[in-house]
Amino acid sequence: AQSVAQPEDQVNVAEGNPLTVKCTYSVSGNPYLFWYVQYPNRGLQFLLKYITGDNLVKGSYGFEAEFNKSQTSFHLKKPSALVSDSALYFCAVREGNFNKFYFGSGTKLNVKP
Amino acid sequence: DAGVTQSPTHLIKTRGQHVTLRCSPISGHKSVSWYQQVLGQGPQFIFQYYEKEERGRGNFPDRFSARQFPNYSSELNVNALLLGDSALYLCASSSPLSRTDNEQFFGPGTRLTVL
Repeated sequence: AQSVAQPEDQVNVAEGNPLTVKCTYSVSGNPYLFWYVQYPNRGLQFLLKYITGDNLVKGSYGFEAEFNKSQTSFHLKKPSALVSDSALYFCAVREGNFNKFYFGSGTKLNVKP
Repeated sequence: DAGVTQSPTHLIKTRGQHVTLRCSPISGHKSVSWYQQVLGQGPQFIFQYYEKEERGRGNFPDRFSARQFPNYSSELNVNALLLGDSALYLCASSSPLSRTDNEQFFGPGTRLTVL
């Protein structure tokens, strides 16, 4: 069975500092990994995905994620955080050929001025 | 291009009632999936439909049902509502089923409150 875990309920960072939001996964077969962001009272917005290829994936709004097979991790990163990055972030894994995504429990990112 | 649209935005029902939620996918997208997001949790997969056929079902009771229409829009129906059904219901669409690198595009959701 596929699953992802987000070990941190909340991450606090000062504006301008680098940020990392952690995600670990458990899959059978090749992992198809995604990051989504959710702003209050909004649906989920796609940030980036890892399917195959380079372990460093670049996405929207300056975000990137590092795929690490040995540590089964897919951490979300940004070199310099903005206050507007404050939101709820979800890691997800896709099951095979179907559009069935398993989401983590989410990490609330707080960026303080 | 319009994104995924859902209606209604908010809904209040009482226990035992029935509810129908609607979703229109992005133009050209043939796959629609439904998720339930309870407050403080990540979305949980309910159904996936492709070309009007159910292609996947999550661990939800038979009170939950869905269908997809020829124009690829979809309805999610929930019977005999329970307090625990209160959640944000998200619809997502994506293009061809067989592409493993497809991301899903989510609508804004329908906030269902069961009293």
